[in-house]
Amino acid sequence: DIQMTQSPSSLSASVGDRVAITCRASQTIINYLNWYQHRPGKAPKLLIYAASTLESGVPSRFSGSGSETDFTLTISGLQPEDSATYYCQQSYGAPWTFGQGTNLEIK
Amino acid sequence: QITLKESGPTLVKPTQTLTLTCSFSGFSLSANGVGVGWIRQPPGKALEWLALIYWDDDKRFSPSLKDRLSITKDTSKSQVVLTITNMDPADTATYYCAHRRPIILRGITITAFDYWGQGMLVTVSS
Repeated sequence: DIQMTQSPSSLSASVGDRVAITCRASQTIINYLNWYQHRPGKAPKLLIYAASTLESGVPSRFSGSGSETDFTLTISGLQPEDSATYYCQQSYGAPWTFGQGTNLEIK
Repeated sequence: QITLKESGPTLVKPTQTLTLTCSFSGFSLSANGVGVGWIRQPPGKALEWLALIYWDDDKRFSPSLKDRLSITKDTSKSQVVLTITNMDPADTATYYCAHRRPIILRGITITAFDYWGQGMLVTVSS
């Protein structure tokens, strides 16, 4: 199985800040990497697929980058509604594995 | 508009079999490339993918749970059923079903889960 490791596991930032969440795969996954946002009590939401393609309807303050084994989700101009846990997921092949999550708190 | 909803028992006893149903609308599970997956989240833990069934009835399972899982589809009813045998308290989790979108990149089709149900908490306890 491909292991996905996210960092940090949690972070706290203020409205308007820029934050970056990293995700590392245990082997190359080219750019087959998705990012999800998960708010408590809500369904997870697809934010970015193929490492850098923004899902329709997702605000442009979200962006993704990276390739091979190292990927980054960047949120610019944080908003209160961005408080959530963020997960990366490799789509290179089954079993489709997720990172352990990054809990983002908005101060 | 694609929607999915999970249903089933919220409490099962250890060693029992869990049967969960995903009822969906807004897409057909007979459409090329489409699939429905199951993902769970134990309390305080990360998301864990469990199983996926494709439009052509091909199936994939988590290796760690493969011996306990089965997944079937009823296209006419727009439902997918997941069963997990020999339930254990460690299987206590919120269970989600999700629509699998096929994304073609350089001739290769990859998987993204673009629509999810609200999830349902299943507790395993005697």
